[in-house]
Amino acid sequence: EAGVTQSPTHLIKTRGQQVTLRCSPISGHTSVYWYQQALGLGLQFLLWYDEGEERNRGNFPPRFSGRQFPNYSSELNVNALELEDSALYLCASSDGQARTDTQYFGPGTRLTVL
Amino acid sequence: GQQVMQIPQYQHVQEGEDFTTYCNSSTTLSNIQWYKQRPGGHPVFLIQLVKSGEVKKQKRLTFQFGEAKKNSSLHITATQTTDVGTYFCASPPNAGGTSYGKLTFGQGTILTVHP
Repeated sequence: EAGVTQSPTHLIKTRGQQVTLRCSPISGHTSVYWYQQALGLGLQFLLWYDEGEERNRGNFPPRFSGRQFPNYSSELNVNALELEDSALYLCASSDGQARTDTQYFGPGTRLTVL
Repeated sequence: GQQVMQIPQYQHVQEGEDFTTYCNSSTTLSNIQWYKQRPGGHPVFLIQLVKSGEVKKQKRLTFQFGEAKKNSSLHITATQTTDVGTYFCASPPNAGGTSYGKLTFGQGTILTVHP
């Protein structure tokens, strides 16, 4: 069974540009989560989608947005990139019906903003 | 919202020494999960504890859930260089609490093992 996949693996952008990151969850998983992990730091929760709806968002400005498609894949969009947006962006999925909600992470997208 | 505090932030050990990381919460946790992130990698689920006082072992790793379900620990016996990485605890919100994406992660403990 394939795990969570993310694309691209690496991305270099300049300040002010926009970026779209993509995530495909494990087959059967309906929940998708996005996290930002700056170098050497912990996981900062960005967004949670379940069944196509945004369920919760972390303490990030509105230029961070996303969506979940009918096939449960998801996109994270970041507008007006700033230098401090440079980080590893991790996507995770879980079985939304499961009580325990273990999250399975993808390999991440490393974003560098110059 | 629910907070899970994890200590220490960093731990350097000599190969063969033991290592322990702790997670504490001011509220009762429904369950606690542990993840490991290797350098340059992504978090990988290790284990979940649900019952009060539960202890689980995976080879040299021992996971404990406190009797009050407010704290948990991960203990590694005789560390090896393959143990390097960041260890995170995580817990879902309690019923009625604000969901944070269904898991709140601790800050992580970065383990360095010197050969």
